[in-house]
Amino acid sequence: DAGITQSPRHKVTETGTPVTLRCHQTENHRYMYWYRQDPGHGLRLIHYSYGVKDTDKGEVSDGYSVSRSKTEDFLLTLESATSSQTSVYFCAISGAGGYTQYFGPGTRLTVL
Amino acid sequence: GQQVMQIPQYQHVQEGEDFTTYCNSSTTLSNIQWYKQRPGGHPVFLIQLVKSGEVKKQKRLTFQFGEAKKNSSLHITATQTTDVGTYFCAGPAGGTSYGKLTFGQGTILTVHP
Repeated sequence: DAGITQSPRHKVTETGTPVTLRCHQTENHRYMYWYRQDPGHGLRLIHYSYGVKDTDKGEVSDGYSVSRSKTEDFLLTLESATSSQTSVYFCAISGAGGYTQYFGPGTRLTVL
Repeated sequence: GQQVMQIPQYQHVQEGEDFTTYCNSSTTLSNIQWYKQRPGGHPVFLIQLVKSGEVKKQKRLTFQFGEAKKNSSLHITATQTTDVGTYFCAGPAGGTSYGKLTFGQGTILTVHP
């Protein structure tokens, strides 16, 4: 497996609280992605990054923001968590020149 | 926007039976990829197909890319309990690239011993 870690692996929080998920890679890959996975919806792209400080929205970006201050770290923030954001969140990385993506172990987030 | 559809959504088989999942894109794809996710795990890259009509094999798994490069299939011969999981196809997302993929909804395979 590619060197990707996610933290925390599990989190329970309350509606209205801010939450930050971290993705860390040791592969020096340029591209990084945040997905959420929900039953019946497959993997949906939230935000992605194509370089340090270069990010853009995916198909389900409302309520989420991201930051990438270093090549190896990509942070996903829920400014004010809602119950609809209860999901499993995966980070993925991809190197330049190809579309193959390598996924982290995931973070299970529950918003009560 | 681009859509990638997969059927069936669920498939239950007896161990030893064959299994096939189909993937259809609303647009022509430059390549298609397949991923497997074990229960409780994360998606893992299996293979990438690039050429029209391409067929690739990995042991009991056979992957095909359609002639029009809009559809693909994954066939597993003589399923085993280790094949259990969700199989996703994915194609390059439209517009600006940056390696983005559009994933199908996945086919959840259950294998009964």
